[in-house]
Amino acid sequence: KAGVTQTPRYLIKTRGQQVTLSCSPISGHRSVSWYQQTPGQGLQFLFEYFSETQRNKGNFPGRFSGRQFSNSRSEMNVSTLELGDSALYLCASSLAGPAGATNTEAFFGQGTRLTVV
Amino acid sequence: KQEVTQIPAALSVPEGENLVLNCSFTDSAIYNLQWFRQDPGKGLTSLLLIQSSQREQTSGRLNASLDKSSGRSTLYIAASQPGDSATYLCAVGQYSGGGADGLTFGKGTHLIIQP
Repeated sequence: KAGVTQTPRYLIKTRGQQVTLSCSPISGHRSVSWYQQTPGQGLQFLFEYFSETQRNKGNFPGRFSGRQFSNSRSEMNVSTLELGDSALYLCASSLAGPAGATNTEAFFGQGTRLTVV
Repeated sequence: KQEVTQIPAALSVPEGENLVLNCSFTDSAIYNLQWFRQDPGKGLTSLLLIQSSQREQTSGRLNASLDKSSGRSTLYIAASQPGDSATYLCAVGQYSGGGADGLTFGKGTHLIIQP
């Protein structure tokens, strides 16, 4: 059974540009969550999608957005990139709701390493 | 706001030792607690999930306990091996208001097992 797949693995972008990251969850999983990991702040929750609807959002500016498609694949977009957006972006999928809601286990992808120069 | 603290931040022990990693959280209204390991530059690998109604979970040489009332969890690693070297992260899941908050993570314990 394939795991969570994130593409691309690495990205280098210039300040002011925008970027789109992709996440394919485990087959059958309908919940996809996104997290940002930085050395200073650790792992922080961005948002969660379930059945194409954003159910919750963390404390990030509106430049961070996402969507989910009918096949549960998800994309996140960051517009007007800033140097501080450099981070490892991780996607997690779970069977039904997010791990916190339904006691189901969260499975993470390998992440996308975004560097903003 | 939930806060998760992991102690120690770093730990280095000789191979073969048993060790305990600690995790504490400030809000006991959690749905579950999950332990992960992360290798450098990689994603997270789920180790153990403890639901709020459970006291502990075991997988191989790993045992995790949960004391929800005191806001504590421990991860016990028996007979440590060099391959156990990684960062171990504790995360709690909970609801607030109308939806789930997503997982709240600690900063992790960086573990080195010396051969």
